[in-house]
Amino acid sequence: QKEVEQDPGPLSVPEGAIVSLNCTYSNSAFQYFMWYRQYSRKGPELLMYTYSSGNKEDGRFTAQVDKSSKYISLFIRDSQPSDSATYLCAMGRGKGNEKLTFGTGTRLTIIP
Amino acid sequence: GAVVSQHPSRVICKSGTSVKIECRSLDFQATTMFWYRQFPKKSLMLMATSNEGSKATYEQGVEKDKFLINHASLTLSTLTVTSAHPEDSSFYICSATGTRRPTTQAEQFFGPGTRLTVL
Repeated sequence: QKEVEQDPGPLSVPEGAIVSLNCTYSNSAFQYFMWYRQYSRKGPELLMYTYSSGNKEDGRFTAQVDKSSKYISLFIRDSQPSDSATYLCAMGRGKGNEKLTFGTGTRLTIIP
Repeated sequence: GAVVSQHPSRVICKSGTSVKIECRSLDFQATTMFWYRQFPKKSLMLMATSNEGSKATYEQGVEKDKFLINHASLTLSTLTVTSAHPEDSSFYICSATGTRRPTTQAEQFFGPGTRLTVL
């Protein structure tokens, strides 16, 4: 079993829809949770950063962490064609500068 | 803030030659840098972790002598692919973490990547 599971998609939704992206994990030591967006042939861009359980909102993006269920989500409201990208979840224990554990990424396409 | 650059963005070389890729943190001190490799439509594969002034820690299966990593300063790390072969062709991405307010040391900021093609 992988430490982090993420549905690879592809996921296609119409413009304006709410998108829900999810990851599950098995390591209860993870305390920091991140979502990255990666456009084709580009480096990943940090979208959201959350510590422990709870919600965090930034514009059209909302990140949720449920540590009891070991489940994290990213919601995108009013989706735009420019949101079409691969979304990677990542998590870490936060002990010093240690490596993160990444999901495999979900390919998202927003249909105009 | 938290900008990471990579150079070159694209490189084509002949088989048997060596290629050096630079990764720079532009607005923060990167105490740790990570080097990843990514194949088309695949996720990131961590190759090694480098801490400033120390030897890099390589992931299992990554050849240390083939992928030389140097992290000589708090803003620069280099990856040298030695005696490159066509199977080394890939997208190489670095990331950095370090001292930044708020100092969490958990976020990683990625460079734009370097596409290596070995003929």
